[in-house]
Amino acid sequence: DAEITQSPRHKITETGRQVTLACHQTWNHNNMFWYRQDLGHGLRLIHYSYGVHDTNKGEVSDGYSVSRSNTEDLPLTLESAASSQTSVYFCASSATGDGYTFGSGTRLTVV
Amino acid sequence: GEDVEQSLFLSVREGDSSVINCTYTDSSSTYLYWYKQEPGAGLQLLTYIFSNMDMKQDQRLTVLLNKKDKHLSLRIADTQTGDSAIYFCAETTAGTGGFKTIFGAGTRLFVKA
Repeated sequence: DAEITQSPRHKITETGRQVTLACHQTWNHNNMFWYRQDLGHGLRLIHYSYGVHDTNKGEVSDGYSVSRSNTEDLPLTLESAASSQTSVYFCASSATGDGYTFGSGTRLTVV
Repeated sequence: GEDVEQSLFLSVREGDSSVINCTYTDSSSTYLYWYKQEPGAGLQLLTYIFSNMDMKQDQRLTVLLNKKDKHLSLRIADTQTGDSAIYFCAETTAGTGGFKTIFGAGTRLFVKA
């Protein structure tokens, strides 16, 4: 069965370290997205991609980067982790115009 | 700019109907969605409605769309304790940059036994 997987599920890192969260989907979806979920803010879009080598900034992109070298993967990198980036991160994918399929999330704690 | 708003909490008794409401601002919506998030999990697509429809029914779920008032609702019949979750409304619009989806902040549904 097709799926979208995120790793790791939980991560604790120190302030200033570079961290990469993985997202891998086997739906063959062109569109992939990264969101963060914080209490009181709902889902906020970090970065998104409409296809290989395409990346776009979302509403809270500062301090984050993504790259899309193939259809299946959209890794999210925190260049220099900050305590404000402690959050739950969700990756999602979709075919154009369809609803999203979400991963199970990565809980990141920056200490 | 575009916005999707929902009430934050709803509490119902088991067996009653639940109605979760959502308002949106962009009149050019193409699709509107309801997602469910259970604790520790990602969002799961529950149902969706095309913007040219007024109603969609899927087993215990009924979606009503009032385009004039930009109001979307999700009715869950015979609510069960397993329906306790956060429900997100979302709208997708088509623009020059492609499709864009905006999520509401989510409504936390509590079901009392």
